[in-house]
Amino acid sequence: GENVEQHPSTLSVQEGDSAVIKCTYSDSASNYFPWYKQELGKRPQLIIDIRSNVGEKKDQRIAVTLNKTAKHFSLHITETQPEDSAVYFCAASNSGGGADGLTFGKGTHLIIQP
Amino acid sequence: DSGVTQTPKHLITATGQRVTLRCSPRSGDLSVYWYQQSLDQGLQFLIQYYNGEERAKGNILERFSAQQFPDLHSELNLSSLELGDSALYFCASSVGANSDYEQYFGPGTRLTVT
Repeated sequence: GENVEQHPSTLSVQEGDSAVIKCTYSDSASNYFPWYKQELGKRPQLIIDIRSNVGEKKDQRIAVTLNKTAKHFSLHITETQPEDSAVYFCAASNSGGGADGLTFGKGTHLIIQP
Repeated sequence: DSGVTQTPKHLITATGQRVTLRCSPRSGDLSVYWYQQSLDQGLQFLIQYYNGEERAKGNILERFSAQQFPDLHSELNLSSLELGDSALYFCASSVGANSDYEQYFGPGTRLTVT
């Protein structure tokens, strides 16, 4: 089955700086890669996703890049703000290989220092 | 608010007991996914239902079962509970059958087994 590795487990950045979270996946047939933000005690919230036919996607301060050859994808947050503090999860799925759910990474605790 | 509802919010029960968790998907969504979140295992996919039929199985124990009713709400049944079953249980819904449709999570049910 799919295996998703996520790094780093904790990331502390100064407010206004950029943050980058990286994930690798094992199944070359995976074709959908969402990112979720989870605040303490709350539900995971979809913030951006990318499909395998696209190399990069951007939504305001958030961007995701995908390198299918290397089987890795990354989340980039620019001009970080205190409300960006949360745990971020990457995930992968192979929708074409039959039915499956999302396989998640272990999460990155992003801390924005004022 | 994602539009996905889950009840109850909290559940405290004893080992060996059986509980039922309920999920109502967003209006128009036909798929319901169940996930378990624990500190040691992270977010794990359990099972998916699409339009009343089981579509995919993940790391779901034999003691656990689920179903989706004609009104599309879903229930996750956990029996012979063990201490290790203590976790947050989330459901997520999406419009389509495949896992590359955006999944929106409910607020979760926190299960504590004593």
